[in-house]
Amino acid sequence: QPVLTQPPSVSGAPGQRVTISCTGSSSNIGAGYDVHWYQQLPGTAPKLLIYGNNNRPSGVPDRFSGSKSGISASLAITGLQAEDEADYYCQSYDRSLSGSRVFGEGTKLTVL
Amino acid sequence: QVQLQESGPGLVKPSGTLSLTCAVSGDSISTSNWWSWVRQTPGKGLEWIGEIFHSGSTNYNPSLKSRVTISVDRSKDQFSLNLTSVTAADTAVYYCARSLGAALDYWGQGTLVTVSS
Repeated sequence: QPVLTQPPSVSGAPGQRVTISCTGSSSNIGAGYDVHWYQQLPGTAPKLLIYGNNNRPSGVPDRFSGSKSGISASLAITGLQAEDEADYYCQSYDRSLSGSRVFGEGTKLTVL
Repeated sequence: QVQLQESGPGLVKPSGTLSLTCAVSGDSISTSNWWSWVRQTPGKGLEWIGEIFHSGSTNYNPSLKSRVTISVDRSKDQFSLNLTSVTAADTAVYYCARSLGAALDYWGQGTLVTVSS
């Protein structure tokens, strides 16, 4: 049973908007802990994409945005590009696990 | 530019100890950051292993806590991971990373460790 649940896959055509959900519980996202998102291109290390629910590190295009509400968070990608095809992971803290950092299982984004 | 580089044996025997080191450059390990280890099993997702502060304070994933030790060498700007009693289930790509608050903002390139006899 994953702590943070993500859809295994999403897809969209170039130029479209896609969203990836991340659902937790009252011991992690619902407890007020921030959600962060990572992009992992094939064969590379994860890269921080969104931190603190909706903040982009320097260099991340504004096509990427994050939001959080209740026990869930979402990553939105607008103006989809071929280079966005990657795995995306959400991450938060879970107080029931001694304050462990926890990751979602990841979502594979396919650009059609 | 902050860079992290993992190093260590790529092959460990079952029941042995996995030992990796992460060298930090472009930043001092003695800054106000936590330093983490994360692993990714083949074809699977990410699992946080634990973290250390330059003072030596640590936090570990409860599921691995009994087998994990993370240590720091401030003089070398390095931190290390020891995982004991390994099995095939510990075969993974191991990453070291720097914490930006609760997020992980800089990652090493990762190193594959295979547990096999």
